[in-house]
Amino acid sequence: EVQLVETGGGLIQPGGSLRLSCAASGFTVSSNYMSWVRQAPGKGLEWVSVIYNGGSTYYADSVKGRFTISRDNSKNTLYLQINSLRAEDTAVYFCARAQVVIRGSAFDIWGQGTVVTVSS
Amino acid sequence: DIQMTQSPSTLSASVGDRVTITCRASQNINSWLAWYQQKPGKAPKLLIYKASSLESGVPSRFSGSGSGTEFTLTISSLQPDDFATYYCQQYNSYSWTFGQGTKVEIK
Repeated sequence: EVQLVETGGGLIQPGGSLRLSCAASGFTVSSNYMSWVRQAPGKGLEWVSVIYNGGSTYYADSVKGRFTISRDNSKNTLYLQINSLRAEDTAVYFCARAQVVIRGSAFDIWGQGTVVTVSS
Repeated sequence: DIQMTQSPSTLSASVGDRVTITCRASQNINSWLAWYQQKPGKAPKLLIYKASSLESGVPSRFSGSGSGTEFTLTISSLQPDDFATYYCQQYNSYSWTFGQGTKVEIK
């Protein structure tokens, strides 16, 4: 079965760090564009970061310099390292596959999301 | 950065109604546009990609059109399962941008 499962969310104090994980099954992470998308409580969707199949990484301006996307090919897992957490980073974080060849980089597979709450 | 503007923000409609949601891009994105449906507490679901291609398994009452900067999502006959929030999304130059969402409510 093709699926993504996120873990690693939680309650963290401002200024803290967290690493989110996204385990894939049914397809190979390293062969795809993989992204993180977040959704603050009651708000819309915000694209956060992408790692291309070739390894290039890109970030939204709002997280550049604080977030790092990576992957472990041996574990078929995507990661998001989040540093210097701020209250405005509070959100549900989804990982998603951007399917390039057929779907023009639309996100066709999504995880269920993991909740990050930044509060003292 | 490319901005995506959806209208309306909220739409009240009845079962059986034809519903149209509009999405405007701040610059030309050709056909690199997708539409998603999201229900409370759930991940978004891909409905339409490349502006007008229907994702496998999505009912044919959903359709998309447009290119360049103006796009529409149409639901030909609204069903009870369609009450949700809809987002457009563009891909261009190493970044993705979502519209602010359109909530389709029961009238």
